[in-house]
Amino acid sequence: DAGVTQSPTHLIKTRGQQVTLRCSPKSGHDTVSWYQQALGQGPQFIFQYYEEEERQRGNFPDRFSGHQFPNYSSELNVNALLLGDSALYLCASSLAFAGDPLETQYFGPGTRLLVL
Amino acid sequence: AQSVTQLGSHVSVSEGALVLLRCNYSSSVPPYLFWYVQYPNQGLQLLLKYTTGATLVKGINGFEAEFKKSETSFHLTKPSAHMSDAAEYFCAVSVDNNDMRFGAGTRLTVKP
Repeated sequence: DAGVTQSPTHLIKTRGQQVTLRCSPKSGHDTVSWYQQALGQGPQFIFQYYEEEERQRGNFPDRFSGHQFPNYSSELNVNALLLGDSALYLCASSLAFAGDPLETQYFGPGTRLLVL
Repeated sequence: AQSVTQLGSHVSVSEGALVLLRCNYSSSVPPYLFWYVQYPNQGLQLLLKYTTGATLVKGINGFEAEFKKSETSFHLTKPSAHMSDAAEYFCAVSVDNNDMRFGAGTRLTVKP
């Protein structure tokens, strides 16, 4: 059973460019959340997707957008990249209604983005 | 809104010694609490979580944590440190699983 997978593993971009990161959830999961982890800090919640819609959003600008596909995989897009966007981007998947009041989120290995 | 504070960005222990990583939370409603571990160049792995019920939660790799509402704490402990425990540890709080708030992390070093 494959866990959460993310691609690419590493990425280098320059300021002003746009980037797309991809995530495939754990088998059977229907909800995908994205987090940004800057160096030396804890992950910060960007947004969550369920049923192909953004369900909740953290304190991130509109430059950060996402999409969820019918197969539950997801993309994170960042436009007009800034140096401060350099970070590890983590994807986490979960099952929306598992009978458990709080189904665990499973994290992928992340995509490390460097903006020069 | 909920938040987490991890006391001590770095903790160093000797192999075989007690591990204690501190976490205090703030939440206006009953929280769900988590501890995750992150090894270098890897994602987060869940160690344990508290939702409801028993306040002493046992996790993987011999770790456990106790939810103390009166102290708003959820400290992580392990009786005897192993070299393989060296990693970054994150405490997190959530009220609805849509938005997990993480602490800044504590880097655990284990000395031989």
